[in-house]
Amino acid sequence: KAGVTQTPRYLIKTRGQQVTLSCSPISGHRSVSWYQQTPGQGLQFLFEYFSETQRNKGNFPGRFSGRQFSNSRSEMNVSTLELGDSALYLCASSLLSGGVRANEQFFGPGTRLTVL
Amino acid sequence: AQTVTQSQPEMSVQEAETVTLSCTYDTSESDYYLFWYKQPPSRQMILVIRQEAYKQQNATENRFSVNFQKAAKSFSLKISDSQLGDAAMYFCAYRSGVNQFYFGTGTSLTVIP
Repeated sequence: KAGVTQTPRYLIKTRGQQVTLSCSPISGHRSVSWYQQTPGQGLQFLFEYFSETQRNKGNFPGRFSGRQFSNSRSEMNVSTLELGDSALYLCASSLLSGGVRANEQFFGPGTRLTVL
Repeated sequence: AQTVTQSQPEMSVQEAETVTLSCTYDTSESDYYLFWYKQPPSRQMILVIRQEAYKQQNATENRFSVNFQKAAKSFSLKISDSQLGDAAMYFCAYRSGVNQFYFGTGTSLTVIP
């Protein structure tokens, strides 16, 4: 099976612009979660989508949004970029959402966003 | 809210030796899952080991084992016979019943030849 893929791998934007990142989960996985990774902060949960519905949301401003398509592919959008948005954005897919099983998340390679 | 704390930002170990990475968490839930993820310099995060909170037996995966102390809310990772390929950032993660993951800030492990 192909792993989680993210595009683009690198992105440079300027303040005030908007950006869209894409994530394709492992085939058959219906849950996609997004994380922001910065040095010293670790991974901060952004949101999770399952069957095209947002299931969970982290503590990020409304400038961060996402969606999921019927094929489980997900996009994340950040509007009005700020310097502090520079980070590695990781996407992770899992088979299920919730439940009592140890629902392992499989991570993509990430998109490195630099805001100038 | 659940929090995950990794108090060791950096650790080092001699090749072939054993190292233990610490992780504590805070939760009011009784049913949850704990994970250790490894992120090598290439940045692809991979799962090392998982532990179900309802299981008393500590999980083991080859050279990797955990010491899970539920009452103390502690979940440490022991790496035996350390290899150069073990050098990476290690993240402890907690998964709640609603599939939300909480990660620690990571421990950077250096393996000294």
